[in-house]
Amino acid sequence: AQRVTQPEKLLSVFKGAPVELKCNYSYSGSPELFWYVQYSRQRLQLLLRHISRESIKGFTADLNKGETSFHLKKPFAQEEDSAMYYCALRSTGANSKLTFGKGITLSVRP
Amino acid sequence: GAGVSQSPSNKVTEKGKDVELRCDPISGHTALYWYRQSLGQGLEFLIYFQGNSAPDKSGLPSDRFSAERTGGSVSTLTIQRTQQEDSAVYLCASSSYGQGSTEAFFGQGTRLTVV
Repeated sequence: AQRVTQPEKLLSVFKGAPVELKCNYSYSGSPELFWYVQYSRQRLQLLLRHISRESIKGFTADLNKGETSFHLKKPFAQEEDSAMYYCALRSTGANSKLTFGKGITLSVRP
Repeated sequence: GAGVSQSPSNKVTEKGKDVELRCDPISGHTALYWYRQSLGQGLEFLIYFQGNSAPDKSGLPSDRFSAERTGGSVSTLTIQRTQQEDSAVYLCASSSYGQGSTEAFFGQGTRLTVV
């Protein structure tokens, strides 16, 4: 069975502070990991995926297979980063279901 | 259309009534998901369709919930004898399937309120 755990529900930081949103997963194979974001009154959308190894809006996430983690990081938070963030895992194989964590609300204060 | 479309955007219904929520996925996407989003509960998986395979219904909370996908395209989520705890935003997403990473595209959701 696959599982995604986001241990915190809320993270509140001041503008300019570093941010780390935690994500741990459980899956026996080689998963694909994603971070999705939902800004206020907008639909859920992809932020980044682990295989791209890219930085989007200053955010990065590194897949650590040893710790089964995929934490999302940004060195200097901006107010516009305030949103709901979901970590997701997609299994590989014939039935590749996309499983989400419970999500975390990031609040960046001025 | 260019994206995933859901209808209606909002639905208010009386307790005990049946409701149908519709999802039009992106053309050509073989995978379709339904999720429920409620305050404090995050994103709850309901059901997953992939091509002609049997759907994964493991997330449906009770037998009052059912979904179908006709012709591999449009999907309908039906909730029978609605209860107040069914109030939530119901999200639909679709993605293509194949080798390599594929992105799931979400609809704007249907906000269901059971009174």
